[in-house]
Amino acid sequence: DQQVKQNSPSLSVQEGRISILNCDYTNSMFDYFLWYKKYPAEGPTFLISISSIKDKNEDGRFTVFLNKSAKHLSLHIVPSQPGDSAVYFCAASAQQAGTALIFGKGTTLSVSS
Amino acid sequence: DAGITQSPRHKVTETGTPVTLRCHQTENHRYMYWYRQDPGHGLRLIHYSYGVKDTDKGEVSDGYSVSRSKTEDFLLTLESATSSQTSVYFCAISESGGISKNIQYFGAGTRLSVL
Repeated sequence: DQQVKQNSPSLSVQEGRISILNCDYTNSMFDYFLWYKKYPAEGPTFLISISSIKDKNEDGRFTVFLNKSAKHLSLHIVPSQPGDSAVYFCAASAQQAGTALIFGKGTTLSVSS
Repeated sequence: DAGITQSPRHKVTETGTPVTLRCHQTENHRYMYWYRQDPGHGLRLIHYSYGVKDTDKGEVSDGYSVSRSKTEDFLLTLESATSSQTSVYFCAISESGGISKNIQYFGAGTRLSVL
């Protein structure tokens, strides 16, 4: 059974608007969450993360929100740019070093100009 | 970019042949990982290493073996390749401590086709 779910395979947004990518998880042991961005023929690139002791983390245009009671996190991109068009993966892990990341299936974001 | 090099970047092989993929890092990170990415599955962990000669299985380890004889190199071997192992393989590394210990950095990937 999937422990990390990204229920929207794709999302289309206009340049300058907000992109909101969603992720749900089922395992209560997860306490660290990450977002990765992936372009075709490249490896995933780390974007932003959040620990379960926080409910928000912001880095420039990217903000991640965590709702532990709902087991839900979201990535907000404001404003969206055409270069943000990529596949975005949500991942979860426990806080000990060296633990595996459990990935969602990804959401393809398309930002049109 | 993290210093991670995967080789080869592309490989086509036949069913039943052995294949070895190499991951080389220049960051001196303790942990190294092999994932595979398939349509509809995201990335799934095959094996990982927590030190020289220390390895353990991941979610999809059947048909794969790994070795780590040096900190900088982590090898993934398909003893007898099957068509179900056609995939894109990613190596990742992470630190053993500090605020970044949960962040994994990925290589560019190896696209493997088993015919």
